[in-house]
Amino acid sequence: DAGVIQSPRHEVTEMGQEVTLRCKPISGHDYLFWYRQTMMRGLELLIYFNNNVPIDDSGMPEDRFSAKMPNASFSTLKIQPSEPRDSAVYFCASSFEPGQPQHFGDGTRLSIL
Amino acid sequence: QKEVEQDPGPLSVPEGAIVSLNCTYSNSAFQYFMWYRQYSRKGPELLMYTYSSGNKEDGRFTAQVDKSSKYISLFIRDSQPSDSATYLCAMRGTGGFKTIFGAGTRLFVKA
Repeated sequence: DAGVIQSPRHEVTEMGQEVTLRCKPISGHDYLFWYRQTMMRGLELLIYFNNNVPIDDSGMPEDRFSAKMPNASFSTLKIQPSEPRDSAVYFCASSFEPGQPQHFGDGTRLSIL
Repeated sequence: QKEVEQDPGPLSVPEGAIVSLNCTYSNSAFQYFMWYRQYSRKGPELLMYTYSSGNKEDGRFTAQVDKSSKYISLFIRDSQPSDSATYLCAMRGTGGFKTIFGAGTRLFVKA
């Protein structure tokens, strides 16, 4: 049974470039979450979707960050323009219903030079 | 003050030891409590999931929630080198989805 799939696993790019992270949630899960993990701040929720609709984006740090979910099996998190302080591991997670805990992908390790 | 406090460690124990991991929290609205295990370069993996107060046991793992003290614990019995990982506590209220994670405790179990 496939889990949450994220791509790419690693991304290294220069400051100012556009970065796109991708996520495929577990089939049948109606909720999708994007998190960012750093040593300083731990795991932070950026945004979550229910049935492809963004519900809470209060954790998105700046307008440079945007997220979309065009269908039930795909979501993207975009950073444009990227900055060195965006370097972190970005996780996608999904869950079946409100009372159930979230299942995480293995993350994208992003380095902005 | 953070909503969830967790000692980052590292915690180093010999194989076979009983491990105690803990978190404190400040929001009395939290009702769901979780423990995740995260291996290096992997995503968090759910270990234990409990609602409200009490104990829950699953194999070598026991989760305890004391809502009166706003304190949760994870015990690992007969610890193994394969238990070496970062353990994150997490919790949320009954409304909404926002799950708050602790900073994680790094655990090393020495063979």
